[in-house]
Amino acid sequence: DQQVKQNSPSLSVQEGRISILNCDYTNSMFDYFLWYKKYPAEGPTFLISISSIKDKNEDGRFTVFLNKSAKHLSLHIVPSQPGDSAVYFCAASAGGYQKVTFGTGTKLQVIP
Amino acid sequence: DGGITQSPKYLFRKEGQNVTLSCEQNLNHDAMYWYRQDPGQGLRLIYYSQIVNDFQKGDIAEGYSVSREKKESFPLTVTSAQKNPTAFYLCASSGTSGRDEQFFGPGTRLTVL
Repeated sequence: DQQVKQNSPSLSVQEGRISILNCDYTNSMFDYFLWYKKYPAEGPTFLISISSIKDKNEDGRFTVFLNKSAKHLSLHIVPSQPGDSAVYFCAASAGGYQKVTFGTGTKLQVIP
Repeated sequence: DGGITQSPKYLFRKEGQNVTLSCEQNLNHDAMYWYRQDPGQGLRLIYYSQIVNDFQKGDIAEGYSVSREKKESFPLTVTSAQKNPTAFYLCASSGTSGRDEQFFGPGTRLTVL
């Protein structure tokens, strides 16, 4: 039972354009969401997070939007750069517990 | 430099052998985790520990065992009972506030022949 879903396994975007990565979740108890970025043969690195009390969080070129009623969040990268090419994982946790559930990942390719 | 180290980066074992993957952190984190990554399946939690001498099963603990005798170390043993042990294994650590990001090691690629 996949509680965190990333339905697009891959995405290609031209350099300079906006990249939008989507994530859906089914567990209504999730109240904290994170995005991680992963290069091949390396561990993921934290990118940005959002609490369920917010609907938007920005950090430089990265913005995460949360739509609680739709149980959907998205990560916007603008402008996209070739160095953004990586696999992006959405993750969620509930009730302040450290256990997080990860999505299956979306591979982003930014074309120069 | 603070961080998480995993060794070795690549590991080969014969079927039926137990193998232990090392994970060490010097970030002074209380919580540590082991994940497994398979193609198309994201990261799945094997075991996690929130404090020394205590650990909990994750979603796919069968065939694995861990210990947490020291704060900085969380070794994972892949036993012969694990039916599909070939995978990329990731160790992580974090604080225990519930909102802390996890810091990941570089991973160990285990191949069972």
